[in-house]
Amino acid sequence: AAGVIQSPRHLIKEKRETATLKCYPIPRHDTVYWYQQGPGQDPQFLISFYEKMQSDKGSIPDRFSAQQFSDYHSELNMSSLELGDSALYFCASSRGERGRDSPLHFGNGTRLTVT
Amino acid sequence: GDSVTQMEGPVTLSEEACLTINCTYTATGYPSLFWYVQYPGEGLQLLLKATKADDKGSNKGFEATYRKETTSFHLEKGSVQVSDSAVYFCALSDNNQGGKLIFGQGTELSVKP
Repeated sequence: AAGVIQSPRHLIKEKRETATLKCYPIPRHDTVYWYQQGPGQDPQFLISFYEKMQSDKGSIPDRFSAQQFSDYHSELNMSSLELGDSALYFCASSRGERGRDSPLHFGNGTRLTVT
Repeated sequence: GDSVTQMEGPVTLSEEACLTINCTYTATGYPSLFWYVQYPGEGLQLLLKATKADDKGSNKGFEATYRKETTSFHLEKGSVQVSDSAVYFCALSDNNQGGKLIFGQGTELSVKP
């Protein structure tokens, strides 16, 4: 079965550079979530989109922005990168705005290293 | 706000031992509860879920029962295998808040042959 696809798998950037992470949800899933997982930490919710509109916002820095496109894929744009942004970034998708009957399905993540 | 607390790891067991990973939650509404598993270098995979009180989720020999009276969702398995070695995350989804997941801190399980 098709899963959530994230690209790239690994990304190395220098401080103050920008990065763009992409997420392709499972077909017919209309909701996308972004999470950040620091080393040895639990995943922290950043932002979510439902039907191309932002549906919820978590601990996303102002330096980051995201959007969901007409084909439901999503991109997380990160500017003025800091060392502390080094983490595993997960995208998850589900069908419908509520998670009760459509649990989140996660991609394998993008590992961002800022040097 | 809503939160999830898990027992600290790492947990080290011998193959065929019994496993319990404790998880308790705090929520203002009526959340759905989940266990996710993360194998090294991989993403989070849904292991099991329960959407209302007294529901029991089960998968691959793992079980967890939604206990509203004790606000708990402990993960259990009667006989673990080496292949069960991973990090296990308990999570909740408050269905009045758009379905996003709030995770516990994760418990690392290491099963030795």
